[in-house]
Amino acid sequence: GENVEQHPSTLSVQEGDSAVIKCTYSDSASNYFPWYKQELGKRPQLIIDIRSNVGEKKDQRIAVTLNKTAKHFSLHITETQPEDSAVYFCAASPFTGGGNKLTFGTGTQLKVEL
Amino acid sequence: SQTIHQWPATLVQPVGSPLSLECTVEGTSNPNLYWYRQAAGRGLQLLFYSVGIGQISSEVPQNLSASRPQDRQFILSSKKLLLSDSGFYLCACIRPSGSAVNEQFFGPGTRLTVL
Repeated sequence: GENVEQHPSTLSVQEGDSAVIKCTYSDSASNYFPWYKQELGKRPQLIIDIRSNVGEKKDQRIAVTLNKTAKHFSLHITETQPEDSAVYFCAASPFTGGGNKLTFGTGTQLKVEL
Repeated sequence: SQTIHQWPATLVQPVGSPLSLECTVEGTSNPNLYWYRQAAGRGLQLLFYSVGIGQISSEVPQNLSASRPQDRQFILSSKKLLLSDSGFYLCACIRPSGSAVNEQFFGPGTRLTVL
């Protein structure tokens, strides 16, 4: 089955700096890669996703890049703000079939310091 | 748009007691449904998923079970709770395969404490 590894487990940045979180996956059949943000005590919220037919996707201050050959994808947050502080999870799944199960990374605790 | 309801929001139960958590979905039909557990400060563990009424796939052997009696209802149960069952239980859903989107949405969760 799919295995997703996520690094780092914790990340502390100064407000205004950029943050990068990296994930690798093992199953070449995976072609859908979402990122979730989870604030303390709340549900995970989808913030951005990418499908294997593109290499990069951007939405305001966040962007995701995908390298299918190397089987890794990354989340980039620019101009970080205190409200970006949360746990971020990457995930991977086949777009169809297998119940569309998502395999999640172990999460990254991002702290944006003033 | 889809809305996921979970009941109850919080629950404190003694060890050995039974459990029933309910998840209902509005705004879509024939969704794929998922139960996850998140221990404190930990990641998301997929427990069960269902692609249709009466169809349950178990991901992790344990003392929990799941049922899908209706298209938009997913229930997580246990006959006897263990201390290790404590956690944040999240129901999630996606629209069926073949649709233009594949995003998985989470419900608000049930926080279970087993004492």
